[in-house]
Amino acid sequence: AQTVTQSQPEMSVQEAETVTLSCTYDTSESNYYLFWYKQPPSRQMILVIRQEAYKQQNATENRFSVNFQKAAKSFSLKISDSQLGDTAMYFCAFMKHEDNNDMRFGAGTRLTVKP
Amino acid sequence: NAGVMQNPRHLVRRRGQEARLRCSPMKGHSHVYWYRQLPEEGLKFMVYLQKENIIDESGMPKERFSAEFPKEGPSILRIQQVVRGDSAAYFCASSRNPTGEAFFGQGTRLTVV
Repeated sequence: AQTVTQSQPEMSVQEAETVTLSCTYDTSESNYYLFWYKQPPSRQMILVIRQEAYKQQNATENRFSVNFQKAAKSFSLKISDSQLGDTAMYFCAFMKHEDNNDMRFGAGTRLTVKP
Repeated sequence: NAGVMQNPRHLVRRRGQEARLRCSPMKGHSHVYWYRQLPEEGLKFMVYLQKENIIDESGMPKERFSAEFPKEGPSILRIQQVVRGDSAAYFCASSRNPTGEAFFGQGTRLTVV
């Protein structure tokens, strides 16, 4: 079974600084997807970044980048130049490549960006 | 403490039939949220319920979709007269309070044929 662990329930960062959110997962699959979702108070789930396991290059999306360590089963999210609007819950998620239904979420990290 | 349980995991319906998706929240959680994930898209919020009350249904289509969270039993997302465009993965999450951590179920994959 796949499990996703986010070991940081809460984090805070000063505006304009950089913060890294950690995520580890456990799977025996070799091909899969990893995601970071942002959930603001509106409860919408916004896809921040997505990584395919067979791609060695770390995904980046503007100020968001990941450090994907497949052997270590680690998938951390780095937010550079943090903005007040980045304050939200962040969920790490895992999905098997051949089964779009089998998405597993971590418990989330609440990030607060301080002015 | 079992996690959020959704069933069925896979559901196939013909156009025009009804689909019922169930979500049992974690023990002690009285807040339930439903999301829909369309292929190649992120999760989109549909509805937020607290026991016996709909708190926010701003993300739910006005027609054919309804949700409930009765005093006893699971939360139900009901889709009447399904169409092909309803094919998606539907995820449920629960939390102990409105600002608490939300835990997700494994989702129900609805396929309309």
